Amino acid sequence: SQQGEEDPQALSIQEGENATMNCSYKTSINNLQWYRQNSGRGLVHLILIRSNEREKHSGRLRVTLDTSKKSSSLLITASRAADTASYFCATEYLNNTDKLIFGTGTRLQVFP
Amino acid sequence: GAGVSQSPSNKVTEKGKDVELRCDPISGHTALYWYRQSLGQGLEFLIYFQGNSAPDKSGLPSDRFSAERTGGSVSTLTIQRTQQEDSAVYLCASSLEAGTNTEAFFGQGTRLTVV
Repeated sequence: SQQGEEDPQALSIQEGENATMNCSYKTSINNLQWYRQNSGRGLVHLILIRSNEREKHSGRLRVTLDTSKKSSSLLITASRAADTASYFCATEYLNNTDKLIFGTGTRLQVFP
Repeated sequence: GAGVSQSPSNKVTEKGKDVELRCDPISGHTALYWYRQSLGQGLEFLIYFQGNSAPDKSGLPSDRFSAERTGGSVSTLTIQRTQQEDSAVYLCASSLEAGTNTEAFFGQGTRLTVV
């Protein structure tokens, strides 16, 4: 399977703390994306990092990409209870179809 | 519409019956994906359409599953002779064009329950 893996599977923190989630993938990619899912329904795109980029910021989000290790991390700073959700990485693989493959996800719980 | 629309939102069906799930992508999006998500699990890739290219069906779990995309727009995922293990949320997503570093937009999914 091309599916990526994320760790930790679950993370519980207090409001104000930082949350770090990691994603590993298997083959060369065009880009890596992070998505958020509330309540097991539709996913919302958070941030996209291209294969030639190493770090990207968006508000309280910071994403890094290390193509030599085939890994990425998502950092949420100063977390809030509203950040409670599942977070997924997705990779657009370099192959003849460029399809988007998702990781296993991290369930984040932020306690007030 | 402004977003990806899926119907029905919920479907309960008897084991052995056929079901059709519909996805209306965002207008102009040439890439369309179907995924399956079991409770508390990640997204399992099923099938991917890109423009007029042959679809990538590599994720379909069995020959009971099929999908088509008519006119490069609406897509229908069909599951024949449903089994209880088919119960899951089926998610559809679309994007402008794969390989162009653009995000995917998701519908709210169809929750399928096979009883």
